[in-house]
Amino acid sequence: QKEVEQNSGPLSVPEGAIASLNCTYSDRGSQSFFWYRQYSGKSPELIMSIYSNGDKEDGRFTAQLNKASQYVSLLIRDSQPSDSATYLCAVNWVNYGGSQGNLIFGKGTKLSVKP
Amino acid sequence: GAGVSQSPSNKVTEKGKDVELRCDPISGHTALYWYRQSLGQGLEFLIYFQGNSAPDKSGLPSDRFSAERTGGSVSTLTIQRTQQEDSAVYLCASSMTSGADTQYFGPGTRLTVL
Repeated sequence: QKEVEQNSGPLSVPEGAIASLNCTYSDRGSQSFFWYRQYSGKSPELIMSIYSNGDKEDGRFTAQLNKASQYVSLLIRDSQPSDSATYLCAVNWVNYGGSQGNLIFGKGTKLSVKP
Repeated sequence: GAGVSQSPSNKVTEKGKDVELRCDPISGHTALYWYRQSLGQGLEFLIYFQGNSAPDKSGLPSDRFSAERTGGSVSTLTIQRTQQEDSAVYLCASSMTSGADTQYFGPGTRLTVL
């Protein structure tokens, strides 16, 4: 069963705070992990990708990956009202033969940053 | 070239009519995906193309839905005898190769079936 689980939210944080978004996945062999942001009425846009255990930072965004726990997270520092959106986690599944398959998307966490 | 493009951006049709939705992927991208997103819901996978072939059609909800891709580029999603439950945003994405590559999304086509 290919599953990517996210808390649907809404997650509400005050402006300037750290927003923490979490995602768990079921396929232990997954190797590629992505975070997308989707504003209301718009299509998803890529924020970050991560492939190795540990942290990856890009500006105010940090992705964290723990393959042993099958857990990936996204931290947004100094949250701004413009960060208010739905954040989608995407993880690739592994085919029966062991090759890397396509992405499975979580249902997303809605983030609201209050001024 | 530019990003993924889709047309039309909006389509309003009457129940029972057929509709065609078009997707132009990023130039050079061999993999193309169609998703559906109902209001307030997550992405629902429909079909995936590698080149002109569709190795995974598992998400097509019924035989009223079909898709093709020609020349390894443009794809068309066709919905026959549309129903009100087909109303949704249809999103197309492309990636350089298949598998775990980054997918880039088009702006979507909003379909409304009256």
